[in-house]
Amino acid sequence: GENVEQHPSTLSVQEGDSAVIKCTYSDSASNYFPWYKQELGKRPQLIIDIRSNVGEKKDQRIAVTLNKTAKHFSLHITETQPEDSAVYFCAASKAAAGNKLTFGGGTRVLVKP
Amino acid sequence: KAGVTQTPRYLIKTRGQQVTLSCSPISGHRSVSWYQQTPGQGLQFLFEYFSETQRNKGNFPGRFSGRQFSNSRSEMNVSTLELGDSALYLCASSSPGGGGRADWETQYFGPGTRLLVL
Repeated sequence: GENVEQHPSTLSVQEGDSAVIKCTYSDSASNYFPWYKQELGKRPQLIIDIRSNVGEKKDQRIAVTLNKTAKHFSLHITETQPEDSAVYFCAASKAAAGNKLTFGGGTRVLVKP
Repeated sequence: KAGVTQTPRYLIKTRGQQVTLSCSPISGHRSVSWYQQTPGQGLQFLFEYFSETQRNKGNFPGRFSGRQFSNSRSEMNVSTLELGDSALYLCASSSPGGGGRADWETQYFGPGTRLLVL
């Protein structure tokens, strides 16, 4: 089955700096790659997603890039703010598997003021 | 639209008991997926229901089961609880994409039910 690896597991950045989280996946048939942000004690919230027919997508300070050949995708957060502190999860799914999301292990991001 | 809701939010059970968790999807959403979240194993897919049918199943023992009703509400049941079943159980709902395609679906999570097994 699909396997998603996420790095780093923890990331500490200064406010205003950029943060980058990387994920690799194993199943070349995967075609949907969402990113979720989970604050302590709260539900995972979708922050951005990308589909396999697109190489890059941006939404304000957040961007995701996808390299299908290398089977990896990355989340980029620019101009980080303290409210960006949370755990971020990447995930992958494929059409043939319905809505089964396979998640990475998560990255705990701490933005220091 | 109201978001995904789950009841109860917290639950304490003892080993050997069974438990039923409920999930109400966003209005109009027909797919409900369940996930287990633990510090050690992370987020793991349990199963997905679409139009009252189980469409996909993860690698969990048969003690974990679910169902979906005609109004898309879903329940999951865990029988013969074990200590290792202590976790946050999340459900997520989604709606078919344009043209009825079921492959471009964004999942929205509920707040979860935190289950503690003693």
